[in-house]
Amino acid sequence: QFVLTQSPSASASLGASVKLTCTLSSGHSRYAIAWHQQQPEKGPRYLMKVNSDGSHIKGDGIPDRFSGSSSGAERYLTISSLQSEDEAEYYCQSWDTGFRVFGGGTKLTVL
Amino acid sequence: EVQLVESGGGLVQPGGSLRLSCAASGFTFSSYWMHWVRQAPGKGLVWVSLINDDGSRTIHADSVKGRFTISRDNAKNTLYLQMNSLRAEDTAVYYCARDSPHVDGELDYWGQGTLVTVSS
Repeated sequence: QFVLTQSPSASASLGASVKLTCTLSSGHSRYAIAWHQQQPEKGPRYLMKVNSDGSHIKGDGIPDRFSGSSSGAERYLTISSLQSEDEAEYYCQSWDTGFRVFGGGTKLTVL
Repeated sequence: EVQLVESGGGLVQPGGSLRLSCAASGFTFSSYWMHWVRQAPGKGLVWVSLINDDGSRTIHADSVKGRFTISRDNAKNTLYLQMNSLRAEDTAVYYCARDSPHVDGELDYWGQGTLVTVSS
């Protein structure tokens, strides 16, 4: 079964950096993922695609403060110089033939 | 500018039907696979259905298979979700989303969502 695992919550201070993790289930460790941001009461917004080699491709208009990386079955989203508007839910998303799958989301609090 | 605008949500009784629409603009709609994703109140995102660019292939999550049907009208740049035999657990905000160019797998644009409430 293809599962993406995320920690339910994370927090960091204004101006600091934070690294969110998405773990791919056994047998899927080389799959790419996408990161999406969902601010309160809004629809999701695509941030980037992160490949198994750590390369990433960002969506339109995504600031340089957002970056992606990989290690084994883990895919990361790093946000630097945290701003108040970064307080949001962050979802990872992957895919296999015929379906898409989401992680449970990480709620990021900016202190 | 890519825009996806959902409509058609509302309150419906258990066992009822509803058809959602998603109007697309700012890109060549007929060249992209499209998806429906839902989010129950206070919960995470759940993929529901996909359709390929010409509408010849559709896939639905097990939770909605046999009850929901995704379709599209490329002449009208519109995506649809026909929902039948609705249950309380179908209550959610429904989002349409575009698959990436070349069907790489990531959903690269989203609508703002439309709320479906199933209740008597």
